[in-house]
Amino acid sequence: DAGVTQSPTHLIKTRGQQVTLRCSPKSGHDTVSWYQQALGQGPQFIFQYYEEEERQRGNFPDRFSGHQFPNYSSELNVNALLLGDSALYLCASSLIGTDYNEQFFGPGTRLTVL
Amino acid sequence: DAKTTQPNSMESNEEEPVHLPCNHSTISGTDYIHWYRQLPSQGPEYVIHGLTSNVNNRMASLAIAEDRKSSTLILHRATLRDAAVYYCWSNAGGTSYGKLTFGQGTILTVHP
Repeated sequence: DAGVTQSPTHLIKTRGQQVTLRCSPKSGHDTVSWYQQALGQGPQFIFQYYEEEERQRGNFPDRFSGHQFPNYSSELNVNALLLGDSALYLCASSLIGTDYNEQFFGPGTRLTVL
Repeated sequence: DAKTTQPNSMESNEEEPVHLPCNHSTISGTDYIHWYRQLPSQGPEYVIHGLTSNVNNRMASLAIAEDRKSSTLILHRATLRDAAVYYCWSNAGGTSYGKLTFGQGTILTVHP
C-alpha cells in the first residue's frame, strides 16, 4: 500500500518564477492538505482540498493556489516566488467521515528560491 | 486555536521512559489534544490523540489532566528511533476539519 508521495523531491527556482508541486494521497484517502515548513519551524497549514474544492485556508496570500483532481491527487501552485517561499512543502492526506482523521504526510518537496 | 506551550528540548537515555509535557491552558470543551512527531528528514507522523480520558496505543500513552489544561505524552521505553520533534496542540481539528496547528515542538534527544 503506497503512502503519500510527492514530486519533485527538490526544486530550485528564481524570484518571480512560478512553481507547481504534486501530491498523490494514500490509497483510499479523499482529502489532501498542504503545509509549509520553514527551517527550524513547525509546519504551517496552507489549505485543504476535498471533493476538488478548497475547504479551509490558512494565512497565506493568493499567490498560493491549489487544485485537486478526480483521482484525489493534488497540486500546489505558487506564483511570483519570493525568497521567503524557500521551505519544505508537505502534503498530507486523510479520509473524511472517520471519527478522527489522522493525517498521513509525504516526505515533502524542498523548494529553494534564489 | 488554543495557546500551547512545550519545552524546547528534552533528553533521555535509551530504554528509559520519557514524559513529554504540554500545556494547552485555553482548551475548550470539544477540543481534541493532538500529538504528532517528526523524525529527521521526514514528514510528521501521528502519535496519539485524546479528548478527556487517558489513551494508550502501540506507540505511546497520553495522560490528560483532569482540567484538560495540560497533557503528557509517555514513551514507555525510548529507543534511538524516538529521537524527533514532538508537536502538541489542542483544537477541534481531527474531525472533519483536518487542520493541524503545529507549534515549535519539543526536540527529544535519546542517548544510547
